[in-house]
Amino acid sequence: KAGVTQTPRYLIKTRGQQVTLSCSPISGHRSVSWYQQTPGQGLQFLFEYFSETQRNKGNFPGRFSGRQFSNSRSEMNVSTLELGDSALYLCASSGAAATDTQYFGPGTRLTVL
Amino acid sequence: QKEVEQDPGPLSVPEGAIVSLNCTYSNSAFQYFMWYRQYSRKGPELLMYTYSSGNKEDGRFTAQVDKSSKYISLFIRDSQPSDSATYLCAMSKGGGADGLTFGKGTHLIIQP
Repeated sequence: KAGVTQTPRYLIKTRGQQVTLSCSPISGHRSVSWYQQTPGQGLQFLFEYFSETQRNKGNFPGRFSGRQFSNSRSEMNVSTLELGDSALYLCASSGAAATDTQYFGPGTRLTVL
Repeated sequence: QKEVEQDPGPLSVPEGAIVSLNCTYSNSAFQYFMWYRQYSRKGPELLMYTYSSGNKEDGRFTAQVDKSSKYISLFIRDSQPSDSATYLCAMSKGGGADGLTFGKGTHLIIQP
């Protein structure tokens, strides 16, 4: 079974721009979560989507948003990029139950100049 | 105080040694505990998943959870150079859907 895929793998943007990242979950998984990983803060939870609805949200500003499509694929958008948004953005998918384990994709490395 | 504390290392041990990795946490509401392994430039890979207190063994890996002490551990037996990676502990209150809280990770080096 194919794993979680994320595109693009690398991105370079400048301050003030916006960016959209994409995640395709494991086939059959309906939950998609997004995390930000930085050397200083580690891995931090952004939000989780299930059946096109955001169920949970971490402590990030409104510049970070997401959505999920009917095929469970998800996108994450960051508007008005700041230097501090440079990070590895990870997507994880899991089954329908809240206690199902999460499987991570390889991540998108975003660099903001 | 962060919710989850984990020594960043690096921790360097010779091949074949038993490795002990651990995390402490402050939120008594955490019920689900995980260990992930992350190689450089890769996403985290799930190693162990446990619920509440107790031990769980899978091959060379053993996870222990002591909720009374708010302390979790991962033991790796017969360590191999391929085990060299960053090990992340993670935990949640109701399962992953409410978001996992991670430690910062311990960088482990197994010397051949």
